[in-house]
Amino acid sequence: AQTVTQSQPEMSVQEAETVTLSCTYDTSESDYYLFWYKQPPSRQMILVIRQEAYKQQNATENRFSVNFQKAAKSFSLKISDSQLGDAAMYFCAYRVGRDTPLVFGKGTRLSVIA
Amino acid sequence: GAVVSQHPSWVICKSGTSVKIECRSLDFQATTMFWYRQFPKQSLMLMATSNEGSKATYEQGVEKDKFLINHASLTLSTLTVTSAHPEDSSFYICSAPGQGAWNTEAFFGQGTRLTVV
Repeated sequence: AQTVTQSQPEMSVQEAETVTLSCTYDTSESDYYLFWYKQPPSRQMILVIRQEAYKQQNATENRFSVNFQKAAKSFSLKISDSQLGDAAMYFCAYRVGRDTPLVFGKGTRLSVIA
Repeated sequence: GAVVSQHPSWVICKSGTSVKIECRSLDFQATTMFWYRQFPKQSLMLMATSNEGSKATYEQGVEKDKFLINHASLTLSTLTVTSAHPEDSSFYICSAPGQGAWNTEAFFGQGTRLTVV
């Protein structure tokens, strides 16, 4: 079975600094998708960034970037120039195909210190 | 992107009553809908998968007679919590796979906070 592990239950970062959230996963599939979702206090799930496993280039979205290491099955999220609005729960997630459900890690609660 | 509208956003009900939660895909056809449950300070756990026109498939440990799922049309999936008890209090959220240019993404409803008293 596929599993997603987030080993950092809580992280904190100073405003304007950079923070990296860790995620590892276990799968026997060669083609899959990886995601980072943000869940603010409203609990709405917000897609931060996604990565297709067949792409070697790391995905970037403005201040958010990933370090995707396929062989190591690692998918970390880097947040640059952290802002107060980045404070939230962050979930790493994995899915195989289009019509399959997401498998989530346990989440990392990120606090941003002004 | 696509929009999944979930209602109600919160509901309080008495023990023993039933509650229906609706998820509608507003600008696309959702042939599949995933239903998750999230306890406080925990992750999202898949409860069941509904497919339009067929029976839902439930994850191990989820009581199908308690959590009735119906997916009668391509734009509406419902979850009914029957004979609710305080332990059913949780956050329920639906998600549908995107289509076309968005077919690698999942679109989430806003979630429903259920409190059973």
